[in-house]
Amino acid sequence: EAQVTQNPRYLITVTGKKLTVTCSQNMNHEYMSWYRQDPGLGLRQIYYSMNVEVTDKGDVPEGYKVSRKEKRNFPLILESPSPNQTSLYFCASSLSRRVVGLAGETTYEQYFGPGTRLTVT
Amino acid sequence: RKEVEQDPGPFNVPEGATVAFNCTYSNSASQSFFWYRQDCRKEPKLLMSVYSSGNEDGRFTAQLNRASQYISLLIRDSKLSDSATYLCVVNTYTGGFKTIFGAGTRLFVKA
Repeated sequence: EAQVTQNPRYLITVTGKKLTVTCSQNMNHEYMSWYRQDPGLGLRQIYYSMNVEVTDKGDVPEGYKVSRKEKRNFPLILESPSPNQTSLYFCASSLSRRVVGLAGETTYEQYFGPGTRLTVT
Repeated sequence: RKEVEQDPGPFNVPEGATVAFNCTYSNSASQSFFWYRQDCRKEPKLLMSVYSSGNEDGRFTAQLNRASQYISLLIRDSKLSDSATYLCVVNTYTGGFKTIFGAGTRLFVKA
């Protein structure tokens, strides 16, 4: 079954204790991305990766690290979590595809993992 | 001004109604556009991509107006199961593809 998996699904931790949230996809997608979702703020992009060893910052990268050593995995690392990183986190992946008949239109239809609810106390 | 703005909602409609969602984006360099739906506390799920020529999938029709930087989603013959939050999503190429989500519009379809 084609899917994006995240682990753990729920985590309660304390300030300063390093943690990693894993993300894995089995669809051979080049593009992967991390988002956080907060009430009133919607989904915001943290980091994304166009392919192996290629990562870049999204809108809210502060306090997070990522790596992309293999195509299928894109872990999110919180070196020193703080309470303001309490949030619902989603990983997503996509192929890029060129829309047939429309020159230059490339879409990234993203497929999301089930989410990780993180609480930092 | 937010990069992607949607109707604040919520929309409350009876079954069978037609409902329209609107979305505007501020970056004229934006290149790809989508509608996602999200059920409470679940992951967003792709509803449809939005192409310059417009596209339709069953009861759902999406339109894109690049000149006005405007995207729309029309749902015809609403079902109870359409109740969800609808998210307008825009990708902008800046060396890589950045993704911006609208805040979402909540839809309640009632019997």
